[in-house]
Amino acid sequence: EAQVTQNPRYLITVTGKKLTVTCSQNMNHEYMSWYRQDPGLGLRQIYYSMNVEVTDKGDVPEGYKVSRKEKRNFPLILESPSPNQTSLYFCASSGRGGGRDNSPLHFGNGTRLTVT
Amino acid sequence: AQKITQTQPGMFVQEKEAVTLDCTYDTSDQSYGLFWYKQPSSGEMIFLIYQGSYDEQNATEGRYSLNFQKARKSANLVISASQLGDSAMYFCAMREGRSSAGGTSYGKLTFGQGTILTVHP
Repeated sequence: EAQVTQNPRYLITVTGKKLTVTCSQNMNHEYMSWYRQDPGLGLRQIYYSMNVEVTDKGDVPEGYKVSRKEKRNFPLILESPSPNQTSLYFCASSGRGGGRDNSPLHFGNGTRLTVT
Repeated sequence: AQKITQTQPGMFVQEKEAVTLDCTYDTSDQSYGLFWYKQPSSGEMIFLIYQGSYDEQNATEGRYSLNFQKARKSANLVISASQLGDSAMYFCAMREGRSSAGGTSYGKLTFGQGTILTVHP
């Protein structure tokens, strides 16, 4: 089954304790992205990657790191989490899209992170 | 820079009636794609419908149709014959099209703030 798998689904941590949220897709997609969802703000892009070893900042990259060593994996790293990073996080992937190409994002089920 | 605006924080509709969710966008790109996603209370993001900037016909997918007015830069979602299961958050999104060195177009997907739809029995 084609899917984007992110883990964990729920995570409660304390300020400053490094954490990693994993994301893996089995669709051979080139494009992968991380979003955070906060009430009233919709989904905001944190980082995205157009291929292996190619990553770019989205709209809200501060406090996050990513890596794309393999095509299927795109982990999100919080080196020193703070309470303002409490949010619902989504990983997503797609093939090449834009213009005439219909390539919707396929989303993972989300990770609800609470930083106390 | 891209911008997506959904001006309706919440909408209510009676079961079996049609409802329109508004979306306007702003871009200087000639090539772009417009998407609608549904997010039920369980939290997952479900792709509903797509409209390309070059498509002359409005997109339709079952009970979903996209009222695309390019000159007005609007891409409203129309849900016909609403069902109780349609109650959810709905997001409009736009993907810019740009060329890479290989000539392929792909780019960032930007979302609106969302509209909560409630279907009454």
